[in-house]
Amino acid sequence: GIQVEQSPPDLILQEGANSTLRCNFSDSVNNLQWFHQNPWGQLINLFYIPSGTKQNGRLSATTVATERYSLLYISSSQTTDSGVYFCAVGRGANNLFFGTGTRLTVIP
Amino acid sequence: DVKVTQSSRYLVKRTGEKVFLECVQDMDHENMFWYRQDPGLGLRLIYFSYDVKMKEKGDIPEGYSVSREKKERFSLILESASTNQTSMYLCASTRDRWVYTEAFFGQGTRLTVV
Repeated sequence: GIQVEQSPPDLILQEGANSTLRCNFSDSVNNLQWFHQNPWGQLINLFYIPSGTKQNGRLSATTVATERYSLLYISSSQTTDSGVYFCAVGRGANNLFFGTGTRLTVIP
Repeated sequence: DVKVTQSSRYLVKRTGEKVFLECVQDMDHENMFWYRQDPGLGLRLIYFSYDVKMKEKGDIPEGYSVSREKKERFSLILESASTNQTSMYLCASTRDRWVYTEAFFGQGTRLTVV
C-alpha cells in the first residue's frame, strides 16, 4: 500500500493562532482527502483535493501531487477545531490509505 | 446531506460470540466500506463492496465477513469475536463505483470484546 506520514503528531494552540498540518505520501495518487475526527469519533470530510488549492472558511488545503505532499491550513483556530486530522490518499476507487493523524488541541 | 448511520455507538461482547455491525446510507451510493481504527495505526480497510452481493477484501479481512443484500445496507460480521478485535469500527460510503470520490463516514461503533 501507499505510505502516508503526517506531521506533527500533536499540536497545541492558543485560540486564535494559525497552524499548518502536513501530509507526505510515498506514491502517485489520484485521490487525496482531509478529514477531521471530533472527540466523539465522527469523521467529517474537509476536502477532496487530489491537486491544487481549495478554501472553505478558515480552512484551506493545498496538494502538490508531483512532490507528493499536501498541506492543511487552519487560521484563527477555535476550540471546536480540536480533534484529530487525518490525511488519506489512494488510486482508483477501492481504497484510501490513512495516515496516523495530527491531534490538535486548541485551548481558550 | 449524505447520512451514514451505524446501528450502535458502543457494544460489549464476549469472546466467541457472533457479532453483527450494521451500516445504512441514504444517498444511493454504490460503494460501501468497513474500516477499523486503532491508536497509532490510523484507519485500515477490512472489506468493501461496490454493488449488492459483491465484496472485496481490504487490508485486514481475517476474522471478518460482510454482507450486502441491499444497496443501502452493509453489514460487518465477526464470526467468533476475539479480544484483539476490540476496536473502533467505521463505515463509509462513496458515490461512484469507478472513481473514489468524497467519502462519508458513520459515527463509529466502539466494540469491546471481553
